[in-house]
Amino acid sequence: DGGITQSPKYLFRKEGQNVTLSCEQNLNHDAMYWYRQDPGQGLRLIYYSQIVNDFQKGDIAEGYSVSREKKESFPLTVTSAQKNPTAFYLCASSMGREYNEQFFGPGTRLTVL
Amino acid sequence: AQSVTQLDSQVPVFEEAPVELRCNYSSSVSVYLFWYVQYPNQGLQLLLKYLSGSTLVESINGFEAEFNKSQTSFHLRKPSVHISDTAEYFCAVGENTGFQKLVFGTGTRLLVSP
Repeated sequence: DGGITQSPKYLFRKEGQNVTLSCEQNLNHDAMYWYRQDPGQGLRLIYYSQIVNDFQKGDIAEGYSVSREKKESFPLTVTSAQKNPTAFYLCASSMGREYNEQFFGPGTRLTVL
Repeated sequence: AQSVTQLDSQVPVFEEAPVELRCNYSSSVSVYLFWYVQYPNQGLQLLLKYLSGSTLVESINGFEAEFNKSQTSFHLRKPSVHISDTAEYFCAVGENTGFQKLVFGTGTRLLVSP
């Protein structure tokens, strides 16, 4: 089945540690996205990538980093510089053209203790 | 740049009653619009979309939305809700200018009670 997978579903980390969230898609989509979701704030764009080896900052990129070495993969690293990293993180992908319908993964809930 | 407003953060309704979830957008160019639904601790699923053509669009589970350009709105409606419709609903807008990011509203939580 085609789709987007995110792992792990739940992640716990100590304050000050970097952590990497995985996102893989087999939809042959060119574009991939990372969003952060907090209660009452909707989805906020962290980073997005239109093609392999290229990515752009979204609205809240500070404290995060990404890579796009393969079309299928777009991992997100939450660094120790992110002041409030506890949130629900959603990965999405799209064809990357007009009518940019995005398909979402199941999400990773990160809790920093 | 485009923006989306979902004025209602929460909408309580009784089962089998009609419901409307409001979405207004702002953009200086032509747009396309989506409604997504999110169940607890899950990702977003596409509910319906307006790309062009007919302004009334429907989903397979009884929801519909109407694109109103003059009022810059894309309200979501269902004539009779079920308990299983309890979820959070997000409106999103994109601009017809090549590759563009989607902008999402803050979401409306639909609470259906018996």
